[in-house]
Amino acid sequence: RKEVEQDPGPFNVPEGATVAFNCTYSNSASQSFFWYRQDCRKEPKLLMSVYSSGNEDGRFTAQLNRASQYISLLIRDSKLSDSATYLCVVSKPDTGGFKTIFGAGTRLFVKA
Amino acid sequence: DADVTQTPRNRITKTGKRIMLECSQTKGHDRMYWYRQDPGLGLRLIYYSFDVKDINKGEISDGYSVSRQAQAKFSLSLESAIPNQTALYFCATSDTGGLTGELFFGEGSRLTVL
Repeated sequence: RKEVEQDPGPFNVPEGATVAFNCTYSNSASQSFFWYRQDCRKEPKLLMSVYSSGNEDGRFTAQLNRASQYISLLIRDSKLSDSATYLCVVSKPDTGGFKTIFGAGTRLFVKA
Repeated sequence: DADVTQTPRNRITKTGKRIMLECSQTKGHDRMYWYRQDPGLGLRLIYYSFDVKDINKGEISDGYSVSRQAQAKFSLSLESAIPNQTALYFCATSDTGGLTGELFFGEGSRLTVL
């Protein structure tokens, strides 16, 4: 079983739709959580951190459920420019510090 | 100009050849990382370095070596390339550990081993 699991998609949605991505992690000691965005053939870039209280950045909302070891990302009013792969990222304690684990990503296509 | 620069961006080579991928950064970060990305597997850590005198193996270090020549430079070598090392390689930096630190990636080096 992968340490960080995501539905690979692809998710095909029309402009203006609301879409939600889910991610589960296996290590209950994980302490920090992030969503990264990766455009085709480009490098990953941080989209937002995920906090237990939930956090929102414009059209994007991230939620963390520690009890279920589950992270979500909600995108409202989807734009064509939201088309990308979304990576769920988890940091857990490891010898010498922390280890960052990347999910394989969920692909999103937003169509006109 | 990019803050994290990788060279070469694309490389095709043959089995058994030695390959070096170079990474330089202008962000002033102490921590540097090399990842590879394969379809369906996500990013996997090859090696990381927390400062010039510190080198650590990641989860898939076999067949790779690294050199931290300076705070700003971190190179990855494949001593004898094999086809299953065909992948997209990313260098990354951070100013803290993974707990709170954002990772800043280079644009990637696409390596094909024939």
